[in-house]
Amino acid sequence: SQQGEEDPQALSIQEGENATMNCSYKTSINNLQWYRQNSGRGLVHLILIRSNEREKHSGRLRVTLDTSKKSSSLLITASRAADTASYFCATDFPGSNYKLTFGKGTLLTVNP
Amino acid sequence: NAGVMQNPRHLVRRRGQEARLRCSPMKGHSHVYWYRQLPEEGLKFMVYLQKENIIDESGMPKERFSAEFPKEGPSILRIQQVVRGDSAAYFCASSPPTWGGGFGEQYVGPGTRLTVT
Repeated sequence: SQQGEEDPQALSIQEGENATMNCSYKTSINNLQWYRQNSGRGLVHLILIRSNEREKHSGRLRVTLDTSKKSSSLLITASRAADTASYFCATDFPGSNYKLTFGKGTLLTVNP
Repeated sequence: NAGVMQNPRHLVRRRGQEARLRCSPMKGHSHVYWYRQLPEEGLKFMVYLQKENIIDESGMPKERFSAEFPKEGPSILRIQQVVRGDSAAYFCASSPPTWGGGFGEQYVGPGTRLTVT
């Protein structure tokens, strides 16, 4: 299965702390994308990282990709209560028509 | 630039009725993907369409489900004779043409939450 798996399943931290979530996958990829989903809402696209990239930043977000380990991490620095959400990684692989395979997500709770 | 639009946001159907879910991709996007999300799960791919063409329907149930993306108008996901197990959130995503920058990025709509009673 190509499915990405996020780790941990749930993470609870205090406001101001950093949050790190990991994603592992099984076969070679074209791209890996991270999304945020607030409870019962739609998905917000956070970052796309391509297979030939190792790190990308967007505001307080930092994504790394290690293709040798088939893993990615999402770091949220100086977390806020508003960051409370589920975070999903999604991958597409060569020949897949860019269709995404999502993991089950990490539920992040940031306590004020 | 408006994002991906989906309607209705909530849909309640009785068993045996038909459900029609609509998706308008972002402006300039020519690729549409439909995904289904069950409670406590990630999204599962259903079908990938371009204008007037179904490119990949490997995730679609063989019966009762169909999708189209006509030359004019939104993409439609149609579920005939709904059953309780069809209750889920259905998300549509769109992405820009592959020859442009940003190809592969998929922007996901707000979803349609289908409840079958």
